[in-house]
Amino acid sequence: EVQLVESGGGLVQPGGSLRLSCAGSGFSISGTYMSWVRQAPGKGLEWVSHIYSGDNTYYEDSVKGRFTISRDNSKNTLYLQLSSLRAEDTAVYYCATMTSPTYYYGLDVWGQGTTVTVSS
Amino acid sequence: IVLTQSPGALSLSPGERATLSCRTSESVSSNFLLWYQQKPGQPPRLLIYRTSSRATGIPDRFSGGGSGTDFTLTISRLEPEDFAVYHCHHFGGSPAFGQGTRLEIK
Repeated sequence: EVQLVESGGGLVQPGGSLRLSCAGSGFSISGTYMSWVRQAPGKGLEWVSHIYSGDNTYYEDSVKGRFTISRDNSKNTLYLQLSSLRAEDTAVYYCATMTSPTYYYGLDVWGQGTTVTVSS
Repeated sequence: IVLTQSPGALSLSPGERATLSCRTSESVSSNFLLWYQQKPGQPPRLLIYRTSSRATGIPDRFSGGGSGTDFTLTISRLEPEDFAVYHCHHFGGSPAFGQGTRLEIK
């Protein structure tokens, strides 16, 4: 069974940093299209970042230059390094992946999410 | 590209038909228009990809359609488990979600 488990969330002060992890099981993350999506309390979904073949990356404008997506294939783990955090980054962060290219970038496997709270 | 979903909330009874709308600010490829369902405290679940294809395990009462800038998700006969928030999504150069439609039990 393909599973994703996020960790690393927590309470951090404005301007601080966190590293989120997303451990995959039941599949190899190497070369796989994977995403981070966040959801602020009571709000809709917001695309954050994704990584795809050749380890090409994309970032939503509001996080560009502050967040970095990466992966460690030996640990089968996806990361999201969050820096210069702001109150508006407070959200549940989900990692997700597409298990079949027939889904045309539809994310059919999601983790349960990890909560990031930015507050002094 | 901005995605605008309507209505923001919809109150219906089990057995009724639900039609949810997603409008994009410019014409998009139907290959990259998707729908997700989300229940409280849970991650989203992929329902529809490529505008009208159901993901694995999705009942056939869910159907998607549309083209250009106007897309719809239809639930033909609502079951109690269908009451949730529905998000449309465009995977393009700048992936984006709509703000969601909350489907509530009347």
